[in-house]
Amino acid sequence: AQTVTQSQPEMSVQEAETVTLSCTYDTSESDYYLFWYKQPPSRQMILVIRQEAYKQQNATENRFSVNFQKAAKSFSLKISDSQLGDAAMYFCAYRSGGSNYKLTFGKGTLLTVNP
Amino acid sequence: DTGVSQDPRHKITKRGQNVTFRCDPISEHNRLYWYRQTLGQGPEFLTYFQNEAQLEKSRLLSDRFSAERPKGSFSTLEIQRTEQGDSAMYLCASSSQDRGLYEQYFGPGTRLTVT
Repeated sequence: AQTVTQSQPEMSVQEAETVTLSCTYDTSESDYYLFWYKQPPSRQMILVIRQEAYKQQNATENRFSVNFQKAAKSFSLKISDSQLGDAAMYFCAYRSGGSNYKLTFGKGTLLTVNP
Repeated sequence: DTGVSQDPRHKITKRGQNVTFRCDPISEHNRLYWYRQTLGQGPEFLTYFQNEAQLEKSRLLSDRFSAERPKGSFSTLEIQRTEQGDSAMYLCASSSQDRGLYEQYFGPGTRLTVT
């Protein structure tokens, strides 16, 4: 079974600075997808960024980018120019590339942005 | 864009009572997922529908849990004889088969408290 590990329960960053959230995963599959989801307090979870395992190029979405190291099974999220609205719980998630569509989530990292 | 909606948002019930939650997915989405999120944890997969067919159930889904999606549109999740351990946030998500990565869109969740 696949597992996702987020080793940082909490992180903090100063507004306008850069922060990196860590995620490692364990799988024997070669075809899969990785995601970062954001869950603001009392609000619904939204997708931040996704990465296909077969793509070597790291995904980027505006201020959000990932460092995908397939051999190391590492998938970190970098948030540049942090904003107060970035404060949330961030979840790393894994999805198999086959017909099993379920997401396997890590325990999350609570990000605080200090003004 | 109406998004995924869930009803009720909060439910307090006494142990032993039955509860039912409803999820309305994004209208053109044919896949629907239920997850459970306990405090300090990431969401855990419960079950998944493609149209009206329930294709996978997690071992977390005991005999007291049942989910339906009768016409391939909205879904209900029923918990019979609730226990205190059932207290959690129940999340619904939906996705479209037409999008290659099957991105899942989450609803706001139903928070269940069993007293």
